[in-house]
Amino acid sequence: GQQLNQSPQSMFIQEGEDVSMNCTSSSIFNTWLWYKQDPGEGPVLLIALYKAGELTSNGRLTAQFGITRKDSFLNISASIPSDVGIYFCAGQTSGSRLTFGEGTQLTVNP
Amino acid sequence: NAGVTQTPKFRVLKTGQSMTLLCAQDMNHEYMYWYRQDPGMGLRLIHYSVGEGTTAKGEVPDGYNVSRLKKQNFLLGLESAAPSQTSVYFCASGTLKRTQYFGPGTRLLVL
Repeated sequence: GQQLNQSPQSMFIQEGEDVSMNCTSSSIFNTWLWYKQDPGEGPVLLIALYKAGELTSNGRLTAQFGITRKDSFLNISASIPSDVGIYFCAGQTSGSRLTFGEGTQLTVNP
Repeated sequence: NAGVTQTPKFRVLKTGQSMTLLCAQDMNHEYMYWYRQDPGMGLRLIHYSVGEGTTAKGEVPDGYNVSRLKKQNFLLGLESAAPSQTSVYFCASGTLKRTQYFGPGTRLLVL
């Protein structure tokens, strides 16, 4: 089946630093989604991307849909302690099923 | 508007016991999904439904059954629980734009 490679697996940063994470696939996706999961909670949708090359922002978060349609990245600027959590990318081809990456665990030190 | 809710939040089962997890959504979404989340493995799709009365297998369907008798509800059943089914189970529902919204999860421990 399709697989998403998400990197890095974990990040330890200082408050105020910028963060970048990405997902790559051997398959083409029509949609890329980025989710954040807080401890003990379900994933929450951060950004949805529907077109190759699309660049979308949500506050301090910016995500891009790669031109090849096989990758996407998420940037977080000026990190704060509440950014701590696990970030997941998800890709979709046709239909409604999503393929998820394994997640990036983000730790922000005050 | 409660979004996606899941019942129960936590459950302990003995091997061989059965149980049903309930997912409810009040957003009138056509699509609903059941995932399991295990450490280091992300989210894996168990079963999903594209509308009332329809269900389909996902990536890891063995040992589970589902039913979608009402549009707003999606039930996940374990007929004979096994320790390998210890996991956190998430339900999600989706829009026409294909985004998915998740519930808070059900933590299941099978002894």
